[in-house]
Amino acid sequence: ETGVTQSPTHLIKTRGQQVTLRCSSQSGHNTVSWYQQALGQGPQFIFQYYREEENGRGNFPPRFSGLQFPNYSSELNVNALELDDSALYLCASSPPSGGAEFGPGTRLTVL
Amino acid sequence: DAKTTQPNSMESNEEEPVHLPCNHSTISGTDYIHWYRQLPSQGPEYVIHGLTSNVNNRMASLAIAEDRKSSTLILHRATLRDAAVYYCIPGTSYGKLTFGQGTILTVHP
Repeated sequence: ETGVTQSPTHLIKTRGQQVTLRCSSQSGHNTVSWYQQALGQGPQFIFQYYREEENGRGNFPPRFSGLQFPNYSSELNVNALELDDSALYLCASSPPSGGAEFGPGTRLTVL
Repeated sequence: DAKTTQPNSMESNEEEPVHLPCNHSTISGTDYIHWYRQLPSQGPEYVIHGLTSNVNNRMASLAIAEDRKSSTLILHRATLRDAAVYYCIPGTSYGKLTFGQGTILTVHP
């Protein structure tokens, strides 16, 4: 088992740009969730994918979108970046039996 | 989602037990109680979860009140590596977790 991995670890973008973050799930985990964690706050749920379909969404605008691939890996896309999008983005994968294993996160800085 | 109340911070000495409380008075009957922790510069890490009965695993114990309106995470012998933010999260088991502010645990050598 290699665990949940995320890439890149750090990223710097400017306001208005677009960004894609990637997540490789734990083997056998068919559900992936994405979270945004601002400095000093707890993670906030963005959305979840199950079998390549969105399966629930938190209070985030449509410029936050995602994909899940047949191998259960996933992408988070953010368009028209804003300064407040600066945060740690966490991916969590879940097996059919439940629970969640988190990756180390991608630190996004928007200038 | 059930609202949770946890102390902002707690302190402990190494090798001593730590009891981390959580109030979740609006929990629904089918919600599990999950505990995660987040070490500095890392993603959250699963600690333990339970529904009604007390639970033990290699990391910790979870004591759940009979009315399920509160629970306590017990670290039997705190180590420096246990210094983290601890989150109590009522909800389902499938990854849609609602994190609050959590409790910052400081462990003194």
